[in-house]
Amino acid sequence: SQTIHQWPATLVQPVGSPLSLECTVEGTSNPNLYWYRQAAGRGLQLLFYSVGIGQISSEVPQNLSASRPQDRQFILSSKKLLLSDSGFYLCAWSLRGGNYGYTFGSGTRLTVV
Amino acid sequence: QKEVEQDPGPLSVPEGAIVSLNCTYSNSAFQYFMWYRQYSRKGPELLMYTYSSGNKEDGRFTAQVDKSSKYISLFIRDSQPSDSATYLCAMKETSGSRLTFGEGTQLTVNP
Repeated sequence: SQTIHQWPATLVQPVGSPLSLECTVEGTSNPNLYWYRQAAGRGLQLLFYSVGIGQISSEVPQNLSASRPQDRQFILSSKKLLLSDSGFYLCAWSLRGGNYGYTFGSGTRLTVV
Repeated sequence: QKEVEQDPGPLSVPEGAIVSLNCTYSNSAFQYFMWYRQYSRKGPELLMYTYSSGNKEDGRFTAQVDKSSKYISLFIRDSQPSDSATYLCAMKETSGSRLTFGEGTQLTVNP
């Protein structure tokens, strides 16, 4: 069966520090991969999605970047965090067409102080 | 105007009540419809999935899609405190893999 791993679960970082969140998927090949951010009490904001290694599409211009160095690995990064980067970050995967929905990871709660 | 509108609630009901959660949408190209449940501080999990119009039942949960009205619903029968969560609707066109999510409705079932 397919599983998605996302870590860390919680992270507190100072303003101006770098960020690296990692997500890996097991049990499937060539998945679509997604990074979302969810502010408290708000909906899901798509940040990046990827249909293959090295292929990244950005939805929202911001202080973040994403990379996909391997087929089932998706990394969210920042060189210098801002207070506004605080939030709940979710990684997700889907089959190519996405017709059966996305499967989400357990999320990373990031607090920038 | 958002493509998908969902009343954020909060919605509070007594245990055993029938709960109705709804979303409206404007994009007539949406063909796939899903409901996700998200517990506090957890990732959303897929609860129900339907294609095109019609009903789908799974235990205490029933999903309805009315494409003519661009309206989808999730019914929860005999609601339990463990159903307390945020429920998000999501929709997708036939082409592409992009899901469009509602903002989510926060539900509390009181024992």
